[in-house]
Amino acid sequence: KAGVTQTPRYLIKTRGQQVTLSCSPISGHRSVSWYQQTPGQGLQFLFEYFSETQRNKGNFPGRFSGRQFSNSRSEMNVSTLELGDSALYLCASSLAGGIGELFFGEGSRLTVL
Amino acid sequence: QKEVEQDPGPLSVPEGAIVSLNCTYSNSAFQYFMWYRQYSRKGPELLMYTYSSGNKEDGRFTAQVDKSSKYISLFIRDSQPSDSATYLCASYGQNFVFGPGTRLSVLP
Repeated sequence: KAGVTQTPRYLIKTRGQQVTLSCSPISGHRSVSWYQQTPGQGLQFLFEYFSETQRNKGNFPGRFSGRQFSNSRSEMNVSTLELGDSALYLCASSLAGGIGELFFGEGSRLTVL
Repeated sequence: QKEVEQDPGPLSVPEGAIVSLNCTYSNSAFQYFMWYRQYSRKGPELLMYTYSSGNKEDGRFTAQVDKSSKYISLFIRDSQPSDSATYLCASYGQNFVFGPGTRLSVLP
């Protein structure tokens, strides 16, 4: 069974640009959540999607957005990039969300110059 | 104050040592507690899961929760170099809340 796939794995952007990250969950998993991981703040929850609906949202500015498609694949977008957005962005899928076990991808490492 | 606090380390121990990793949390409503392990350049993976207070053992790993003091612990017995990773404690309220992780190195 294939794991969670995130693309791209690495990317470099400049301030003011926007970026879109993609996540393909484990087959059969309907919940996808996104996290930002930085050395100083650790793993911080961005949002969770279940059946194409945003079910929960963390404390991030509106520049961070996401969506989920009917095949459960998800994308997150960050507009007007800032230097502080440099981080590892992790996607996790679970069968039904909530307290269910999270299965993480290897992440997309974003560097903003 | 962060909802889940954890000493980031790094922590270095010799092979065979007993390792104690600890977290504190602030939200009394938390009932579910987890430990995730993250190897370098990989995503976290679930290691242990406990509900409410008490101990749970799985091989060389023991997870302990003391709700009265809001303290979460992970013990690793007979530590191995393959245990070298970052260990993240987590809890669940309306969503998962993670500690910043403790980086552990087990030296051969």
